[in-house]
Amino acid sequence: NAGVTQTPKFQVLKTGQSMTLQCAQDMNHNSMYWYRQDPGMGLRLIYYSASEGTTDKGEVPNGYNVSRLNKREFSLRLESAAPSQTSVYFCASSLQGFTYNEQFFGPGTRLTVL
Amino acid sequence: KQEVTQIPAALSVPEGENLVLNCSFTDSAIYNLQWFRQDPGKGLTSLLLIQSSQREQTSGRLNASLDKSSGRSTLYTAASQPGDSATYLCAVRPIKAAGNKLTFGGGTRVLVKP
Repeated sequence: NAGVTQTPKFQVLKTGQSMTLQCAQDMNHNSMYWYRQDPGMGLRLIYYSASEGTTDKGEVPNGYNVSRLNKREFSLRLESAAPSQTSVYFCASSLQGFTYNEQFFGPGTRLTVL
Repeated sequence: KQEVTQIPAALSVPEGENLVLNCSFTDSAIYNLQWFRQDPGKGLTSLLLIQSSQREQTSGRLNASLDKSSGRSTLYTAASQPGDSATYLCAVRPIKAAGNKLTFGGGTRVLVKP
């Protein structure tokens, strides 16, 4: 049981390049999330998917798109990377519909945009 | 809007001393509160989740309390060890937020000195 996995672990992009961050979970969770973590700003929600087939914006969705490929996988795409998107990105998952809905996090992707 | 605060931002204690971390939130309408640990360069590890109906939750040397009416939670670690050095984050799940979304505090960075 690997939990939540993310690829890649590190990435360096030039401004304007695009890339997709991958996330997968093997806990049969129906909800998945993408956060970014920045010094002094804490963790902020970018997008989430409450269940397969649905996605919704979080606090900071501009410049990102997401795809809930199936129940296991939730990807985050940067279409035209900007230096302001330099951050650490975390994927998380949980069971929806329960008040006891502990969120489990992946190891993160460290992205630098030059 | 729910706001979560953790003070102090950094804390240093000698090994063996009990560790007390604070978390405060502005809106008492929450489903639960979750404490996480984050090691440098790593993802978040869930430590404890307290339901809004609970006053306390324990796991090993960790004990977390919740006073929903005053908007406070405390994470208590008995007999701290150098391995407890990490950043500790608390997060609440507001009732008004859709999709199991969490609101995070800024974290407290803890150093346990041998």
